[in-house]
Amino acid sequence: AQSVAQPEDQVNVAEGNPLTVKCTYSVSGNPYLFWYVQYPNRGLQFLLKYITGDNLVKGSYGFEAEFNKSQTSFHLKKPSALVSDSALYFCAVRVITGTASKLTFGTGTRLQVTL
Amino acid sequence: DVKVTQSSRYLVKRTGEKVFLECVQDMDHENMFWYRQDPGLGLRLIYFSYDVKMKEKGDIPEGYSVSREKKERFSLILESASTNQTSMYLCASSSYRNYGYTFGSGTRLTVV
Repeated sequence: AQSVAQPEDQVNVAEGNPLTVKCTYSVSGNPYLFWYVQYPNRGLQFLLKYITGDNLVKGSYGFEAEFNKSQTSFHLKKPSALVSDSALYFCAVRVITGTASKLTFGTGTRLQVTL
Repeated sequence: DVKVTQSSRYLVKRTGEKVFLECVQDMDHENMFWYRQDPGLGLRLIYFSYDVKMKEKGDIPEGYSVSREKKERFSLILESASTNQTSMYLCASSSYRNYGYTFGSGTRLTVV
């Protein structure tokens, strides 16, 4: 089955420090990978995606993600964390079934940034 | 600003009631989706639709049905609500040209 895994339920980081939120994938063929963020009592917001091309993808709010085919990973990164980055982060992979395309999500990682 | 609008932010229903969750998008997207979100389980796909009057089961369709009579509207129906359907429900849409989703703000349903 095609899936993504987020091995950490929570990541804690101090403001100003770099942050990494991990995601690994299991996909046959070329993966289409996504990161979304969810703030309290809100829907998910798109951050970035990898379809093809450069392994380093830049997205919204200063986030970036590195696609690593040999390690089957797509970790989310930011050079300097902000308290306002505290939220729930989801990794997702595109799955094609028949004529339809859908996203399968990981279980989410809560990012807590403290002063 | 493009939008996916879910009709209710919070709902409280009684066990056995028939519940309708409505979702409307204004982006002329072909695909629409219903997920439920539970702590520790992430988002799980209930149903999706890739065209008007078309629907496909997701990973957890039991106890749910859907309706898509118009392109912009996708309804989730709980035929007989049960307490284990207490959850956050998220609607999303996407187009064939862009694989990413646009999400609604969610409906937090409590079944008592």
